[in-house]
Amino acid sequence: EIVLTQSPGTLSLSPGERATLSCRASQSVSSSFLAWYQQNPGQAPRLLIYGASSRATGIPDRFSGSGSGTAFTLTISRLEPEDFAVYYCQQSGTSPWTFGQGTKVEIK
Amino acid sequence: EVRLLESGGGLVQPGGSLRLSCAGSGFTFSTYATSWVRQAPGKGLEWVSTISGSGDSTYYADYVKGRFTISRDNSKNTLYLQMKSLRAEDTAVYYCAKSIGGPRSGMDVWGQGTTVTVSS
Repeated sequence: EIVLTQSPGTLSLSPGERATLSCRASQSVSSSFLAWYQQNPGQAPRLLIYGASSRATGIPDRFSGSGSGTAFTLTISRLEPEDFAVYYCQQSGTSPWTFGQGTKVEIK
Repeated sequence: EVRLLESGGGLVQPGGSLRLSCAGSGFTFSTYATSWVRQAPGKGLEWVSTISGSGDSTYYADYVKGRFTISRDNSKNTLYLQMKSLRAEDTAVYYCAKSIGGPRSGMDVWGQGTTVTVSS
């Protein structure tokens, strides 16, 4: 099983700041099968990025994804109030698919 | 509007069974793989199972293999998860999710979730 480790666990930032979230895999993951999700409390997850760097429909361009192999990054260029949430990476290149444990982006 | 609506959750005793359903609307259901993802109270997301659009291919997490069965009825635009031998650790909100395309692609549409509680 591929283990995805996200860091940091919590990121404390102010609106307007840049957020950089990391996702490291225990084995190489095909970039085609790495996704990022956002989840607000009490809500279902929302797909942000798929294929490591492609934005899902309707996702603002302040969200970007990058990386390959075992190291992937989600960047939020300028945090908006609605961006304070929990973010998960997920791989579906090798069964079983797995999620990272999440990074909480909180208001500083 | 593309929508997924889960149902079938509830309280069940350890060792019991439950069948979840997920009705899709607003898209050609048979074209897309669909999955079940769960979230235990206060915990992160956990992938459970995925089925291809045709239903020919299925994938399971190790901790549900042999206990859960994913299936779909494309004539009814409905996804199912048959769960048996339920354990306390299966307690979670269960989401169904539609993939962008095939089984390995990202999940772009999610239902609101249905709660399963396994307790005596």
